[in-house]
Amino acid sequence: QVQLEESGPGLMQPSETLSLTCTVSGFSLTSNGVGWVRQPLGKGLVWMGTIWAGGSTNYNSAVQSRLSISRDTSKSQVFLKMNSLQPEDTGTYYCARQRYYFDYWGQGVMVTVSS
Amino acid sequence: DIQMTQSPASLSASLGETVTIECLASEDIYDILAWYQQKPGKSPQLLIYDASSLHTGVPSRFSGSGSGTQYSLKINSLQPEDFASYYCQNGLSAPNTFGAGTKLELK
Repeated sequence: QVQLEESGPGLMQPSETLSLTCTVSGFSLTSNGVGWVRQPLGKGLVWMGTIWAGGSTNYNSAVQSRLSISRDTSKSQVFLKMNSLQPEDTGTYYCARQRYYFDYWGQGVMVTVSS
Repeated sequence: DIQMTQSPASLSASLGETVTIECLASEDIYDILAWYQQKPGKSPQLLIYDASSLHTGVPSRFSGSGSGTQYSLKINSLQPEDFASYYCQNGLSAPNTFGAGTKLELK
């Protein structure tokens, strides 16, 4: 059974670095990509970036300079790190298994950036 | 970057009706398009991939069609659980852009 679960802090201060973890089960990270998608409250879905089965990454150019996605295949975990947080980074962050579409999603983690 | 223009932004319909949502890509995406449904407070769920293939467990009243730059999602005989938001997504190349979404509401 494919499952993904995001974890991380709910409240961040501006300029801090966000660290989120996506723990997966039911599939291998060496055979599947995992992407991160953000959703501001009441708004649409924004693809942030992806780490592919081979370990390569793609990032949304809007956040590329601040974003890093990595993984630990032995622990079945994917990590998102984003620095220089601003209030506009507030939203729900989802990880999802990605072929070129997202077929299984985590439940999401709400992140609020506020002083 | 490929842009995805989704319409309408909102749609009001009655139970049993049939509705269609459109998605226009800024360039040919060769049918590498997905549709998602999202209910309030829940994660998005994959409905359709490769423009017209139904994901596992998705009811047959949902169908996708289109090619090139123009795609559509059709929902036949609306059920209460279908009132939600819907998004298309470019799967051809990064950035894997989503459409802005369509909110389907009960009339």
